[in-house]
Amino acid sequence: KQEVTQIPAALSVPEGENLVLNCSFTDSAIYNLQWFRQDPGKGLTSLLLIQSSQREQTSGRLNASLDKSSGRSTLYIAASQPGDSATYLCAGGDYGGSQGNLIFGKGTKLSVKP
Amino acid sequence: DAGVTQSPTHLIKTRGQQVTLRCSPKSGHDTVSWYQQALGQGPQFIFQYYEEEERQRGNFPDRFSGHQFPNYSSELNVNALLLGDSALYLCASSLAFPRGPRTDTQYFGPGTRLTVL
Repeated sequence: KQEVTQIPAALSVPEGENLVLNCSFTDSAIYNLQWFRQDPGKGLTSLLLIQSSQREQTSGRLNASLDKSSGRSTLYIAASQPGDSATYLCAGGDYGGSQGNLIFGKGTKLSVKP
Repeated sequence: DAGVTQSPTHLIKTRGQQVTLRCSPKSGHDTVSWYQQALGQGPQFIFQYYEEEERQRGNFPDRFSGHQFPNYSSELNVNALLLGDSALYLCASSLAFPRGPRTDTQYFGPGTRLTVL
């Protein structure tokens, strides 16, 4: 059974700092790996999707990597801004071909101080 | 282009009652998935509907049931509510392969906050 873990649970950094969020999963047969952002009391916004055949994806200041052999993914945020403050969730896609259910970690709560 | 919408935004019920939550998928999408997110936790998969049938189900009791309509909108029903059912209920939509990519992101709605007293 796939399990997803995120470390750290919370992170506070000053504005402008580069940072890395970590995600680990137990089943290397993961179909894809997605990173989401969630603002307090809100729904999820998709940030990056990495297919199982890919190693990384980039969007603006965000870069996500996937290493299936070690069961790890990282989300790198460059030049952090106060607007980046949110909870970041990673999720493993567990069912091929039909965007089946996603297995989520508990998230990392990021606070970027001005 | 309308995204995923959910109603109501908030709901308060008492133990033992029944509740129905509603979801309209993103325009053009045909698949709806439901998730439960307890406070401080990641979302947990409840079930997924495609072509008006439940295609996949997570580890939730039969008190949780759903429906998908011909226009692809969906309902989540929870019977005999328990205090532990208090959570944010998220709906996500996607376009099934082969009409869509073999693997694609799911688009989430804003959620319905259910409080059971």
